[in-house]
Amino acid sequence: EAAVTQSPRNKVAVTGGKVTLSCNQTNNHNNMYWYRQDTGHGLRLIHYSYGAGSTEKGDIPDGYKASRPSQENFSLILELATPSQTSVYFCASGEVPGYAEQFFGPGTRLTVL
Amino acid sequence: AQSVTQPDARVTVSEGASLQLRCKYSYFGTPYLFWYVQYPRQGLQLLLKYYPGDPVVQGVNGFEAEFSKSNSSFHLRKASVHWSDWAVYFCAVSMWPGYQNFYFGKGTSLTVIP
Repeated sequence: EAAVTQSPRNKVAVTGGKVTLSCNQTNNHNNMYWYRQDTGHGLRLIHYSYGAGSTEKGDIPDGYKASRPSQENFSLILELATPSQTSVYFCASGEVPGYAEQFFGPGTRLTVL
Repeated sequence: AQSVTQPDARVTVSEGASLQLRCKYSYFGTPYLFWYVQYPRQGLQLLLKYYPGDPVVQGVNGFEAEFSKSNSSFHLRKASVHWSDWAVYFCAVSMWPGYQNFYFGKGTSLTVIP
């Protein structure tokens, strides 16, 4: 069954530490996305990718990097984690950008202490 | 600027009652519109989507939504709510094909009481 999976599901990190959130999709979609979800803000786009080797900035990219080494995998990297990055992070994949639906992973709950 | 507004942060309905969740968008053209549902500790799942055409679209689990260009709205409806509908509902808009970004509303938390 086609799916989007994320790891880890929960993560506690220290301020200044490096955090990598991983996403894998078996939908064979070219496009992948990273969002964060915060109370009162809904979902906000951090980075996205058109395909292997590409990454693009979304609406709130500061403090985040992304990596798309393959069609299936898309990582979100926090080089120097800060408490303001405590949030729930969702990965999604999709076909035609902005037109077809996006398929979401279960989320990663990140706490930065 | 493009935006999506869900004016009701929380809605409480009795099981079996009808439901309407409101969504208003701000965009000068014809958008592509989506409703997603998020159950506790899960990702978002698509309920229904609107592409230019019939303004009333049917979704899963008895949900439907109606697009109104004159009101810039895309309200979600259900005739009879079930306890399993207890979740958070998000409206999203995409501005045109090829544009990467979905803009999400802040969500409406639905509580169903017996």
